[in-house]
Amino acid sequence: DGGITQSPKYLFRKEGQNVTLSCEQNLNHDAMYWYRQDPGQGLRLIYYSQIVNDFQKGDIAEGYSVSREKKESFPLTVTSAQKNPTAFYLCASSMWGLARKTDTQYFGPGTRLTVL
Amino acid sequence: GQQLNQSPQSMFIQEGEDVSMNCTSSSIFNTWLWYKQDPGEGPVLLIALYKAGELTSNGRLTAQFGITRKDSFLNISASIPSDVGIYFCAGCRVDSNYQLIWGAGTKLIIKP
Repeated sequence: DGGITQSPKYLFRKEGQNVTLSCEQNLNHDAMYWYRQDPGQGLRLIYYSQIVNDFQKGDIAEGYSVSREKKESFPLTVTSAQKNPTAFYLCASSMWGLARKTDTQYFGPGTRLTVL
Repeated sequence: GQQLNQSPQSMFIQEGEDVSMNCTSSSIFNTWLWYKQDPGEGPVLLIALYKAGELTSNGRLTAQFGITRKDSFLNISASIPSDVGIYFCAGCRVDSNYQLIWGAGTKLIIKP
């Protein structure tokens, strides 16, 4: 089946530790995105990548890092510099990215990160 | 930061009732999207709108791109239990690089 997978579903980490969230897609999409979701708020863009080996900061990139070495994969690292990392993290992909207004973003099932 | 004003924040409805929700902004948009999110899952696209005044249906769901290009509406007719969840609007501003701006969501709850 084609789609976007995120792992793990739930993640617990101690304060001060870096943690990496996985996102894989087999839709052959060029663009991939990471969003953060907090209760009662809309999704906020952390990073996006238009093509392999290229990525751009979103609205809340501080304390996060990404890489895009393969078209299918876009891992997100939550570093110890992120002051409030507990949240629901969503990965998305789209065919063309931000160059076309008719592009549609498809979302993975999310990873809930809890920092103890 | 940038955000759309989505209302109502939550709705308590009886099964069979019609539902209406909307998103507004002070900026002009060239795309409006409506997504639904079930608990613990990612959002799923319901309807996409690309022209002012456009009215599009998807089963019992109908959405409209406001004529002023600053708002959009989603209606659900004859609600059923599986309609519960959080509905998000998202849009692309005319003066942006097509990055999506999201509303805070409308939580739909079915009264027992």
